[in-house]
Amino acid sequence: SQKIEQNSEALNIQEGKTATLTCNYTNYSPAYLQWYRQDPGRGPVFLLLIRENEKEKRKERLKVTFDTTLKQSLFHITASQPADSATYLCALDRYGGSQGNLIFGKGTKLSVKP
Amino acid sequence: SQTIHQWPATLVQPVGSPLSLECTVEGTSNPNLYWYRQAAGRGLQLLFYSVGIGQISSEVPQNLSASRPQDRQFILSSKKLLLSDSGFYLCAWSWGGVEQFFGPGTRLTVL
Repeated sequence: SQKIEQNSEALNIQEGKTATLTCNYTNYSPAYLQWYRQDPGRGPVFLLLIRENEKEKRKERLKVTFDTTLKQSLFHITASQPADSATYLCALDRYGGSQGNLIFGKGTKLSVKP
Repeated sequence: SQTIHQWPATLVQPVGSPLSLECTVEGTSNPNLYWYRQAAGRGLQLLFYSVGIGQISSEVPQNLSASRPQDRQFILSSKKLLLSDSGFYLCAWSWGGVEQFFGPGTRLTVL
């Protein structure tokens, strides 16, 4: 069955640097992959979606890449700020389609220090 | 705009007691609805999803059940809680199953 992994549980960086988070999946390539942000005690908030035919997607200081050969997505936050500190989750459809039956990675907790 | 509500925000229940968590969505019709659980040290786990009234799909066999009595109402229930049911329960909705919008969550502690 499809599995999704975020290799780093935690990432500490200095303010102003670029944070890069990794998400890997096994088996078939999904139709799309999503990234969410979760703050402590809150529900996840959708950030970006990238489709299998897209190499890169940008939104303000956020950039997501999707490499179906490596079965990997990278999530970048440029010019990071302490307010970017949160846990970031990647997610994809369990059966490779768009049914909304998502599986989530365990997340990477990002800490941006001033 | 759309809003999703969950209650209660926190709940402490003894082992063996029943459970009922409610989720309602405003500002949209015929949404897909989802129940997730996030346990300490574990990822977000999909428990149930629904694409319409009375239509429930379960991803994980357990002592929980879900119902959708109205278009924008989703209920998570248990007849007898276990210690392992403790966690952060999240309801979410989406259009067509793509990006999902999460509620504020219910923190459940089973003692």
